[in-house]
Amino acid sequence: EAQVTQNPRYLITVTGKKLTVTCSQNMNHEYMSWYRQDPGLGLRQIYYSMNVEVTDKGDVPEGYKVSRKEKRNFPLILESPSPNQTSLYFCASSLWGFSTDTQYFGPGTRLTVL
Amino acid sequence: DQQVKQNSPSLSVQEGRISILNCDYTNSMFDYFLWYKKYPAEGPTFLISISSIKDKNEDGRFTVFLNKSAKHLSLHIVPSQPGDSAVYFCAASADISQTGANNLFFGTGTRLTVIP
Repeated sequence: EAQVTQNPRYLITVTGKKLTVTCSQNMNHEYMSWYRQDPGLGLRQIYYSMNVEVTDKGDVPEGYKVSRKEKRNFPLILESPSPNQTSLYFCASSLWGFSTDTQYFGPGTRLTVL
Repeated sequence: DQQVKQNSPSLSVQEGRISILNCDYTNSMFDYFLWYKKYPAEGPTFLISISSIKDKNEDGRFTVFLNKSAKHLSLHIVPSQPGDSAVYFCAASADISQTGANNLFFGTGTRLTVIP
C-alpha cells in the first residue's frame, strides 16, 4: 500500500531535549516536505527536499533541521525543542513537486514540549 | 503575514445543497492553487487544483473557480453530502522558475459541516 508513515504519532517531551520525528514514503517520490499545523494559522511549510541531499527552507524553518540521505526518508530534527514548537506535524511527499503535483500526507505527529 | 486567507472558520450546509468555500490570496506571483480536505486524526488529502491559466476546473461534485483580478478562489460542492464534513484548506504556490523556491502556502482552513 502506497503511504507516508510518521513516527512517533504522539510525543511529549521537555524543553531542550533533542528529538527526531521520522518520515518515510514507499512511492519512490522525489519531493518531500514537513508542515506544522497550528490553530488559526493553518499549515505552514517548515522544510522541503527536492531530491537526495537537496533541502531548502520553507516558511517557518527556525528551530528545525532536516536531512535527506536517502530518497525514502526525511527526518525532522528538533535539536533544542521549545514550548512554541508544540504543534501537529505532517510529512508529505509527491512525485514531481509540491506545488503542482498531488501531495500525499502522513497521519501526523502531535508534539507537546513542556 | 498570511499570504493565503480563508476568512470563514466554519460553514454549515444542509445535505443536498451547495457548499461554497472561499479563499483569498495576496501574492500576485501565485500561479497554482489547490484544495485539500482534512478529517480529524488524518493527514490532508488532495481534492482539486487549478492553474492560473484557467478560471474553472471541475471534478465530479467539486468545482474550483479562480478570479485572478480579485485574487480570489472558491470551491463549490454540489450536492453536499454528510461525508463532506471536514476541514478544507486552500493552498497556493508560485512558479519555481520565477521564485527559485518550491514553497506551498496554506490558508487557515474552513470547517464544513453538512447537516443530514
